[in-house]
Amino acid sequence: ILNVEQSPQSLHVQEGDSTNFTCSFPSSNFYALHWYRWETAKSPEALFVMTLNGDEKKKGRISATLNTKEGYSYLYIKGSQPEDSATYLCAPLYDALNFGKGTSLLVTP
Amino acid sequence: NAGVTQTPKFQVLKTGQSMTLQCAQDMNHNSMYWYRQDPGMGLRLIYYSASEGTTDKGEVPNGYNVSRLNKREFSLRLESAAPSQTSVYFCASRYRGGTDTQYFGPGTRLTVL
Repeated sequence: ILNVEQSPQSLHVQEGDSTNFTCSFPSSNFYALHWYRWETAKSPEALFVMTLNGDEKKKGRISATLNTKEGYSYLYIKGSQPEDSATYLCAPLYDALNFGKGTSLLVTP
Repeated sequence: NAGVTQTPKFQVLKTGQSMTLQCAQDMNHNSMYWYRQDPGMGLRLIYYSASEGTTDKGEVPNGYNVSRLNKREFSLRLESAAPSQTSVYFCASRYRGGTDTQYFGPGTRLTVL
């Protein structure tokens, strides 16, 4: 069982706030890091896939960075909106995707 | 494309009953996965099939069996259901490589009484 840690476990911010959360994972035998967005009563949807140390990906107001040497990734949301409310999962890929428990984000108007 | 489909959407079983959860994908993906989602536990991998003809255990395989029927279909069987198997089950598929996106089905909500 691989130890994939996400912090914080939950986060409550006001609309317009910027926020970030962390994913840490074992860096040996690592192929790629996936980030997913999971809304209540839906299925997880892919946000980013990153492989290289120093990789940075951006999708609208959401961006992510990757440090493969120390085994962590940050997800940033700039100017949070209520529709950003969801659980954000990270999943490093070894022989299969190993999901963290997620960070649950609530954005209130 | 329907993507990843799962049947049934909901199921209630009594302890000791058996059932099979069906999953199919129409994206020509090589790899398929079964996860369970429990409160506070995130998504845990039950079994996966890296390619047609192969299956491997994940983190929580006990009490389950799988069959990769063909490239499209990957089923999960509970031989003798237990209340601890009450969960939401997600099937997923991915083409093959590390950077390929993994797509999830809509989930099956299973309750074992």
